[in-house]
Amino acid sequence: DIQMTQSPSSLSASVGDRVTITCRASQGISNYLAWYQQKPGKVPKLLIYAASTLQSGVPSRFSGSGSGTDFTLTISSLQPEDVATYYCQKYNSAPFTFGPGTKVDIK
Amino acid sequence: EVQLVESGGGLVQPGGSLRLSCAASGFTFSDHYMDWVRQAPGKGLEWVGRTRNKANSYTTEYAASVKGRFTISRDDSKNSLYLQMNSLKTEDTAVYYCAVGATGVDAFDIWGQGTMVTVSS
Repeated sequence: DIQMTQSPSSLSASVGDRVTITCRASQGISNYLAWYQQKPGKVPKLLIYAASTLQSGVPSRFSGSGSGTDFTLTISSLQPEDVATYYCQKYNSAPFTFGPGTKVDIK
Repeated sequence: EVQLVESGGGLVQPGGSLRLSCAASGFTFSDHYMDWVRQAPGKGLEWVGRTRNKANSYTTEYAASVKGRFTISRDDSKNSLYLQMNSLKTEDTAVYYCAVGATGVDAFDIWGQGTMVTVSS
């Protein structure tokens, strides 16, 4: 099975900072990669699918890139409401594995 | 409004069984693949399994951790998804979510609120 890794596992940044999270697949998955945001005590929310397509209603400060094995989620200007754990997920074929998550908080 | 509502969680002893339900509304349930995802307390998201639609023969896929113990089914006439969990282990303790790509995306754009399953003696 394809394994998904994320780095860093956690980060602390200031409001307005540019934040980048990396997701790596152990084998190529083309662009079948989604990013989710989960705020404390809340249900996961889809941010990006097809590696770079912003889900409707998601602020434009979020962006995704990558293809194959290496992907990034970027928050161009971190806001207080972005405090959350972010997960990547492969969905090219089963098992539809999630990455371990990256916890983002405000410095 | 597109909505998923899970039910059926609770406390069960190791080795026991439990059946979760997920009621769907606001989209054409029968057209869509449906998934279960779980999250153990303080841990990350774990995909549990999928049922495809009638056009794809209702085929199912499971995570290795639950294969042979869990069974996913659906009743399109009731817009409902089910997760039958047998031979439960303490490590199955988690919030269980149903999820779907309801608006034409392949990823999970709609999630239920989750139902808690606790496996403990």
